[in-house]
Order: sequence, then structure tokens, then C-alpha cells
Amino acid sequence: GIQVEQSPPDLILQEGANSTLRCNFSDSVNNLQWFHQNPWGQLINLFYIPSGTKQNGRLSATTVATERYSLLYISSSQTTDSGVYFCAVGETSGSRLTFGEGTQLTVNP
Amino acid sequence: EPEVTQTPSHQVTQMGQEVILRCVPISNHLYFYWYRQILGQKVEFLVSFYNNEISEKSEIFDDQFSVERPDGSNFTLKIRSTKLEDSAMYFCASSASGTTATFFGPGTRLTVL
Repeated sequence: GIQVEQSPPDLILQEGANSTLRCNFSDSVNNLQWFHQNPWGQLINLFYIPSGTKQNGRLSATTVATERYSLLYISSSQTTDSGVYFCAVGETSGSRLTFGEGTQLTVNP
Repeated sequence: EPEVTQTPSHQVTQMGQEVILRCVPISNHLYFYWYRQILGQKVEFLVSFYNNEISEKSEIFDDQFSVERPDGSNFTLKIRSTKLEDSAMYFCASSASGTTATFFGPGTRLTVL
């Protein structure tokens, strides 16, 4: 099956700093999503972005499908941004999402 | 804003017992899913459901598991004869199609003793 690799596995920031999270995937996809798992365990959908660039407030994401990677940018980080960020991809056949291992982000005040 | 709901939030059961986890997907969505997350690990796909039948399932989803849409709103996951290794957070999710944004419920934490 498709492989999804996220980097870095852990990231510690001071409040106000910017960061870039990366997701590499091993095959063509028709679906790519970024999720934030908050400290209560909820999975919050951040972006549906199989290609192109999107922005939502302090967060933006870019997917270059031809090169099989996606980036999530967090600007002016806040303590509430802490949690695990997952990239999940869907292959061209089927509807399942395959998740990466996640990036554990800690934002300190 | 519409959301996926799940009940119960936490279930404790004895090994060998049957459990039913319940979900109400977003009302106009057509695809329904179950995923699970063992503590500290990544989220794993179990099964997808479309047009009243299973459309895809993972190798985890063996004969111990079954899904059902008993009415127009509920979507259930049944685990027969639970094992210790079934302890995990189980997430229900839904999407409008197989290639649109997927929305997850808050999860049911299953503890098998």
C-alpha cells in the first residue's frame, strides 16, 4: 500500500514562531488532508488539498502532487496550536485514508 | 455547523464480550468510515461504507468486526468477542464523496479488560 512519511516527528516552538511540516507519499493520490489532533484526542480537519495551495488564517498548505509531497505552514504559532498534526492520503483506487505517523507540535508560552 | 457524533465516549468491557459503537454521520454525507487509533500510534483505517454496503475494508477488519446502518441516521460498529488488543480509540467519520474532506467524530475510547 501507499507509504506516508511525515517530518519532523517532534517540533518544539516558542509562541510566535513559524514552522513548516512536511508530508511525503509514495504513490499518486486523489485525496490529501491535513488534520490536527488536539490534546483531547479530537481530529480536526484543517485542509482538503490534493493539489495546489490553500490558506486559512495563520495556516496554509501546499501540495505538489507531481513530486508527491505536501507542506503545512503555521505562522505566528500559539499555545493552542499544540497537538499532533497528521497528513492523510487517499489512493486513486478506493476511499480509505492512509495516515502518516504525525508531527507532535509543542508551542511554549 | 454539522458534525459527526459518537456514543458512548468511553466504554469498558470484559474480554470476550461484544460491544456496539454508535455514530451519527453528517446528514447529507454518503460515505461512512470507521478508523481506530491505539494509544500513541497513528490512525488506522478499518472500513468504509457506501450505498448500504462495505466498499472497502482493511486487513484489521476481520470476521470479528461488522458494520451496519440500521436506519437513516445511525452507523454502528460491532466487535464480537473483544480482545485485549482491541483497546483503542475508535473514530467514526463521514464524507460527501470518496474524494472530499472527511470529518471525524470525537471518538469512543474502548478499554478491554
